[in-house]
Amino acid sequence: GQSLEQPSEVTAVEGAIVQINCTYQTSGFYGLSWYQQHDGGAPTFLSYNALDGLEETGRFSSFLSRSDSYGYLLLQELQMKDSASYFCAVRDGASGAGSYQLTFGKGTKLSVIP
Amino acid sequence: EAGVVQSPRYKIIEKKQPVAFWCNPISGHNTLYWYLQNLGQGPELLIRYENEEAVDDSQLPKDRFSAERLKGVDSTLKIQPAELGDSAVYLCASSLTPTTYEQYFGPGTRLTVT
Repeated sequence: GQSLEQPSEVTAVEGAIVQINCTYQTSGFYGLSWYQQHDGGAPTFLSYNALDGLEETGRFSSFLSRSDSYGYLLLQELQMKDSASYFCAVRDGASGAGSYQLTFGKGTKLSVIP
Repeated sequence: EAGVVQSPRYKIIEKKQPVAFWCNPISGHNTLYWYLQNLGQGPELLIRYENEEAVDDSQLPKDRFSAERLKGVDSTLKIQPAELGDSAVYLCASSLTPTTYEQYFGPGTRLTVT
């Protein structure tokens, strides 16, 4: 089966940088996604890594190392509005060809403090 | 562009009662997903549709849950009868194709079974 591990909670100061790690175990790995979810809101897509390396999108960056089954989300210049839960999700074909199932981690609750 | 629409947003029912959730995906999105999210957990896939065909329903508890996507557009998820353990948020998501890595989520229906 698939399993993902990420820290349950992280606290960081406004304006700082925070890194949220994710390690995974899966078969038929296709890529690692990150989603943001504010309390009571819908998960929203942040980034996707299919290959090793760093992907940058504005203040957010995501990194993947397939050999280490590891990735992270980097948030820079933290703002209060970044307080939310962040989920890593593995995209795999374990359920069969053409089945791009997304398996989510339990999420990391980020609290940004003044 | 309108996002994924779900209704109702909140539902409170007594155990053993039936309940139904409705989802309208983003226009033109071929693939529709139903997820269940328990408090403090990541979304878990229940069923995935490609057009009107359910192509991955291995996680759907078929004794009490059913879903349909008539005409390949909007979809309904039903629980009959509901149990206390069904209390959760039911999320609908859509993507342009089955291989598109970005999924767009609706706001969810928060179900409380008493």
